[in-house]
Amino acid sequence: GQNIDQPTEMTATEGAIVQINCTYQTSGFNGLFWYQQHAGEAPTFLSYNVLDGLEEKGRFSSFLSRSKGYSYLLLKELQMKDSASYLCGGLTGGGNKLTFGTGTQLKVEL
Amino acid sequence: NAGVTQTPKFRILKIGQSMTLQCTQDMNHNYMYWYRQDPGMGLKLIYYSVGAGITDKGEVPNGYNVSRSTTEDFPLRLELAAPSQTSVYFCASSYGDRANYGYTFGSGTRLTVV
Repeated sequence: GQNIDQPTEMTATEGAIVQINCTYQTSGFNGLFWYQQHAGEAPTFLSYNVLDGLEEKGRFSSFLSRSKGYSYLLLKELQMKDSASYLCGGLTGGGNKLTFGTGTQLKVEL
Repeated sequence: NAGVTQTPKFRILKIGQSMTLQCTQDMNHNYMYWYRQDPGMGLKLIYYSVGAGITDKGEVPNGYNVSRSTTEDFPLRLELAAPSQTSVYFCASSYGDRANYGYTFGSGTRLTVV
């Protein structure tokens, strides 16, 4: 299975930009997802990368380097509502199984 | 369109009791999954199914059973509840041939075993 590593916690200021990194084992890799999870709620889909490069969706962008086993989620113009846990998930094998990291708890401060 | 519906939302079980966590989806997704989420531990895959009549173990299947008699339903059974099964359980579903769409998660079942 996959080993997914991401920082446990990050703090950033409202209006700023933050980058959340994720590293993974490249063997058997079929794609990488980012999910957002607010406290007490279900994860919600943010982005999917299967090819190298940057995918942009409004204030959120996600980058993938398959050769380096590395991804990041970039959040611009941070808002207080962006305070949440961000989960990096690697897609492997049959059944579209996702292996998740422990999540990065982002706190946005004034 | 309700998406993925899980019941119950909360449950307290005594050690040794049994229960079934219900999950149903109305999006005609062929793939379904059960995850558990412990504090600070991320989501761990318990069981998954790629279609009616087909189930397979994930990373942490011990103490659980599943069945998939229809496309819509994927119940998770705990036979002899143990304190280690205290967790938040999420059911999810996806299209099998459109991985880029990602999973749709249910709202979760918070289970406490005492």
